[in-house]
Amino acid sequence: SQKIEQNSEALNIQEGKTATLTCNYTNYSPAYLQWYRQDPGRGPVFLLLIRENEKEKRKERLKVTFDTTLKQSLFHITASQPADSATYLCAPNYGGATNKLIFGTGTLLAVQP
Amino acid sequence: EPEVTQTPSHQVTQMGQEVILRCVPISNHLYFYWYRQILGQKVEFLVSFYNNEISEKSEIFDDQFSVERPDGSNFTLKIRSTKLEDSAMYFCASSEGYSYNEQFFGPGTRLTVL
Repeated sequence: SQKIEQNSEALNIQEGKTATLTCNYTNYSPAYLQWYRQDPGRGPVFLLLIRENEKEKRKERLKVTFDTTLKQSLFHITASQPADSATYLCAPNYGGATNKLIFGTGTLLAVQP
Repeated sequence: EPEVTQTPSHQVTQMGQEVILRCVPISNHLYFYWYRQILGQKVEFLVSFYNNEISEKSEIFDDQFSVERPDGSNFTLKIRSTKLEDSAMYFCASSEGYSYNEQFFGPGTRLTVL
């Protein structure tokens, strides 16, 4: 079965720096991959979606890359702010008969002022 | 901005009791989902629902679980006989389309089984 791995340890960075979060998957490539943000006790909130034929997607301070050779997606937050502190979840989707989200364990990002 | 709502925000029940968790998806969405998150663990898919029937379910979604769209706005998850291990946060989600569509999550219902 597919495995999704994200940085298991918390990522601590200084305000203003770029945070880079990693999502690795095994076996075959997803048709697309989504990134969500989750704050404690709240539901996930959609951030970005990238398709397998796209190398990069941007939205304001956020950037996602998708490397099917490395079987990896990177999620970047530039000019990070303390308000960016949250858990970030990666969810590959393999298309076909399913549209369920299979989330990784998430990476906890802490941006220090 | 439209949002998914869920009630109650917290439900406490005794083991063996039935619970119904309620959700109101975004009004023009066609696909509905339930996920759960046990404390400290990842968000897990339970079931997806489209056109008044289950389109997919996970191994967790056994005979104790059922879903229903009783009217044009509500989407419910019923657990027939709750177990201690059902204690979790339950999230409802909806999406406009099938593929390449973001899912909008509700705020969750925290279920505590004593």
